[in-house]
Amino acid sequence: NAGVTQTPKFRILKIGQSMTLQCTQDMNHNYMYWYRQDPGMGLKLIYYSVGAGITDKGEVPNGYNVSRSTTEDFPLRLELAAPSQTSVYFCASSYSPDRGPYEQYFGPGTRLTVT
Amino acid sequence: QQPVQSPQAVILREGEDAVINCSSSKALYSVHWYRQKHGEAPVFLMILLKGGEQKGHEKISASFNEKKQQSSLYLTASQLSYSGTYFCGTEFSSGSARQLTFGSGTQLTVLP
Repeated sequence: NAGVTQTPKFRILKIGQSMTLQCTQDMNHNYMYWYRQDPGMGLKLIYYSVGAGITDKGEVPNGYNVSRSTTEDFPLRLELAAPSQTSVYFCASSYSPDRGPYEQYFGPGTRLTVT
Repeated sequence: QQPVQSPQAVILREGEDAVINCSSSKALYSVHWYRQKHGEAPVFLMILLKGGEQKGHEKISASFNEKKQQSSLYLTASQLSYSGTYFCGTEFSSGSARQLTFGSGTQLTVLP
């Protein structure tokens, strides 16, 4: 299993440009998440999904959009990039069949710079 | 409400012990602990549930005080490989979609 994969690894955007960060997992996990991590800080939840076709906002959703048409893929769209979106973006997934404990598996991250 | 972690940083020698604390202003359903090495993704260590159930790492232990809304991570006989930033993630209610709110991290450095 490849686990959670993210592309690209690095990207530089100009202010106002748009891009899509790709995330794919091959573990048949129902839950998927997008986080951003600013230097020296913790992880902030952007959006999450509890299954194909179902998404919801996290703590910092402004300036981003997501979709989940399949179990495996959860792309994150940045519209009109701003310098404040410079960050490392992590995708994660987990399997949560019931109210039991779960762990999140993280992808390697995408380092985005907006100039 | 972001949980508060303490200390922010700790330096110790190989073989020494360390305790990392995580406290919340809201009632917790569970506490999750992750370790992140520089330039890498966070890696799961442990989950502590309300009611005392624990699942996780063999050589790292933790406690969860539900009344005080606190969790502590105990690193005993530290190894060089324990170096990294430790994050607690808190889950606030049983009705949530299993969202975690992460603390800002504790940077642990283990020296030879």
